[in-house]
Amino acid sequence: ETGVTQTPRHLVMGMTNKKSLKCEQHLGHNAMYWYKQSAKKPLELMFVYNFKEQTENNSVPSRFSPECPNSSHLFLHLHTLQPEDSALYLCASSLEDSVGGELFFGEGSRLTVL
Amino acid sequence: AQTVTQSQPEMSVQEAETVTLSCTYDTSESDYYLFWYKQPPSRQMILVIRQEAYKQQNATENRFSVNFQKAAKSFSLKISDSQLGDAAMYFCAYRSVYGGSQGNLIFGKGTKLSVKP
Repeated sequence: ETGVTQTPRHLVMGMTNKKSLKCEQHLGHNAMYWYKQSAKKPLELMFVYNFKEQTENNSVPSRFSPECPNSSHLFLHLHTLQPEDSALYLCASSLEDSVGGELFFGEGSRLTVL
Repeated sequence: AQTVTQSQPEMSVQEAETVTLSCTYDTSESDYYLFWYKQPPSRQMILVIRQEAYKQQNATENRFSVNFQKAAKSFSLKISDSQLGDAAMYFCAYRSVYGGSQGNLIFGKGTKLSVKP
């Protein structure tokens, strides 16, 4: 049973829609991450939050907007997306931002942009 | 910049047999961490095994072991006595110890492992 829960598991949206992905962790972790997983490509780190503060933004387009209201919750707000944004979006968490630590992943939100 | 290469997009193994998944990486750093993550179909990605570069001894976790060749920059994963539940995508990942976020793992493209009964 995963300690990182993502909702929704599947999302289909048009290019003009606004939607949000939600991630919740019950592990007492302080760091949370959004990754994008596309077919036949390595996982791409999008955003990192440590103690609710954003510490990384890997040149992600502004149509993706993260929000971290507390250490247990992470959102990814989506608006005016493009078909190439269709992918599996993975949330992960870890115990602080320590070297060599394990990331705990959610099951992902499969996004399809029409 | 560091890179991670998994040269086998797909692999297949007979149940109870042994299989080795390849991973090579490129770095100019001397200290780092290497990981193997497993992603079963429609399930969350989980850590299989972790290796610290300064440790010469190969990491082992039950049926999973690695062959870490630092000079060759190779980090292969051996799965012994393969089970049906081992079927998954396997990702090799690298992380520098110098600065940056823990989430800044550099992943390979993955190897899809099938297990035949």
